[in-house]
Amino acid sequence: GQNIDQPTEMTATEGAIVQINCTYQTSGFNGLFWYQQHAGEAPTFLSYNVLDGLEEKGRFSSFLSRSKGYSYLLLKELQMKDSASYLCAVRDGDYKLSFGAGTTVTVRA
Amino acid sequence: IAGITQAPTSQILAAGRRMTLRCTQDMRHNAMYWYRQDLGLGLRLIHYSNTAGTTGKGEVPDGYSVSRANTDDFPLTLASAVPSQTSVYFCASSDEASSYNEQFFGPGTRLTVL
Repeated sequence: GQNIDQPTEMTATEGAIVQINCTYQTSGFNGLFWYQQHAGEAPTFLSYNVLDGLEEKGRFSSFLSRSKGYSYLLLKELQMKDSASYLCAVRDGDYKLSFGAGTTVTVRA
Repeated sequence: IAGITQAPTSQILAAGRRMTLRCTQDMRHNAMYWYRQDLGLGLRLIHYSNTAGTTGKGEVPDGYSVSRANTDDFPLTLASAVPSQTSVYFCASSDEASSYNEQFFGPGTRLTVL
């Protein structure tokens, strides 16, 4: 099974940067995903890391260190629409996803 | 392009009743999944299907059953609903041919069991 930990809540100001950390313990690893979920909506795919290092996609970047069981999602130039929950998910050796409980990010004006 | 649809959007159900949540995808994805999402617990896998005709148990399968008669449909059945099954249910699908084999989620069904 998987044990995935991420902070429950974070608050930041519009235009700022926020980093959401995720640590995991896994019985097999086939990649780490970040999903965004607005209140009352479905999760939507943000990023994927399977090798160590940084993946950049516009204002969002995701980092992975497999040896440390650690990832982070970096949100830059925060906008009000970025207020949402961010879910860290690890894909195991059977290609099943295990999700963290999610981090609720609130962006203030 | 519909993607994944789920029905109903929401439902209030008496305990002991049987209920089927419907999920249909039009992306011809081979794999489909059912999750429940509860506050503070995140998404938990109930059942999955890697391809039509096969199903498997996830992390929390008790009290639920699924079938996969064809590629597009993956219904989830609660044989005799209990209050602890009150949750938001998400169906998802994925295709191993895609870049990351990421999962795409339906809009969810909010189920309340009284």
